[in-house]
Amino acid sequence: GAVVSQHPSRVICKSGTSVKIECRSLDFQATTMFWYRQFPKQSLMLMATSNEGSKATYEQGVEKDKFLINHASLTLSTLTVTSAHPEDSSFYICSARDLKGTGELFFGEGSRLTVL
Amino acid sequence: QQQVKQSPQSLIVQKGGISIINCAYENTAFDYFPWYQQFPGKGPALLIAIRPDVSEKKEGRFTISFNKSAKQFSLHIMDSQPGDSATYFCAASIGTDKLIFGTGTRLQVFP
Repeated sequence: GAVVSQHPSRVICKSGTSVKIECRSLDFQATTMFWYRQFPKQSLMLMATSNEGSKATYEQGVEKDKFLINHASLTLSTLTVTSAHPEDSSFYICSARDLKGTGELFFGEGSRLTVL
Repeated sequence: QQQVKQSPQSLIVQKGGISIINCAYENTAFDYFPWYQQFPGKGPALLIAIRPDVSEKKEGRFTISFNKSAKQFSLHIMDSQPGDSATYFCAASIGTDKLIFGTGTRLQVFP
């Protein structure tokens, strides 16, 4: 089946630094990718929809200048957490839909960010 | 209207028993209802999904029951196994638009 790869799986950074998380669709092209955030023992909250070649669409309450999303190609979207603070520590998960296949939404393995 | 309500929050089932998780939605425009399984530290994985034109879908030990008039759908796990212990999320979307997730149910299956 289709695979979505995220990197890094774990990252620890100091407060004030920026962290980039990559999301790749390995065997299909994805014009749209979704970024979710998940706090411990909670549900997945959609942060933004990443559109290839255009600006991302952010959900209400998500700071676009804080969470920069770039979807430069049909197989890669990146999420950059800028000037990270401890409250940004979370599990970030991307997903991509294989529109030419079953239409199923495939999720990456997630990236755990810890900001010290 | 965009919410998907899920219950129970946690569920403890004995091995071999039936696990039942329920979800309810408000937005009648939703037309895709998947269930995801998530293990700790991993991304969610699709278990089974249904569209509103059918009332039930079965894949192996997993069955979705869908009640369009009540705007409810549920996941039944037959012959529950310890390996099924995970967090389960229902979700809903309109076509290929963004998925809205339920709050999750933590299932524990004891031997």
